[in-house]
Amino acid sequence: SAVISQKPSRDICQRGTSLTIQCQVDSQVTMMFWYRQQPGQSLTLIATANQGSEATYESGFVIDKFPISRPNLTFSTLTVSNMSPEDSSIYLCSSGGSSYNEQFFGPGTRLTVL
Amino acid sequence: TQLLEQSPQFLSIQEGENLTVYCNSSSVFSSLQWYRQEPGEGPVLLVTVVTGGEVKKLKRLTFQFGDARKDSSLHITAAQPGDTGLYLCAGAPSYNTDKLIFGTGTRLQVFP
Repeated sequence: SAVISQKPSRDICQRGTSLTIQCQVDSQVTMMFWYRQQPGQSLTLIATANQGSEATYESGFVIDKFPISRPNLTFSTLTVSNMSPEDSSIYLCSSGGSSYNEQFFGPGTRLTVL
Repeated sequence: TQLLEQSPQFLSIQEGENLTVYCNSSSVFSSLQWYRQEPGEGPVLLVTVVTGGEVKKLKRLTFQFGDARKDSSLHITAAQPGDTGLYLCAGAPSYNTDKLIFGTGTRLQVFP
């Protein structure tokens, strides 16, 4: 299993600003994913981060709001742009690409937008 | 769109009790996983089931994949406070994708 770290672990931001979340995997992985989660609720997939190409976004999420980078097979970033209080949530990254689509998650970034 | 509904949504029990969490869909999945998430942490993979009818045991936890690969259950025997957390099932769709479909989640609280 992969070990994943995320930075920052939490942040409090002002509306209208942007925050970039970093995700580091301890081994090379083919797939990385970004999720959003309200505390105590299930996960909502934002996008799949593809190495060497643009991320693939799910319905309701757009690149202008959530730009993603994937410069290599161990690292990805998610930026939450022009934040509003509705963006307050937990953001999780994960690695995947195994035979059964198993994923391993980072500890999450808790974002509060004032 | 493939959906996974979990029940119950919330469960609050005393230490020592048994419980079962259900994960249901009208769609077929090629495999299904169960995750547990504790506050402030990411989900942790507990088990993957692949074959219809498969049963896997992890100490006091028993996982079953339905014969038709559309549903799954998680049974916990003699629950302990350490079992407290958010339980999520997640299915790998039968069509070719690397994504997972996550269930709606079950919040379990075990009181000493």
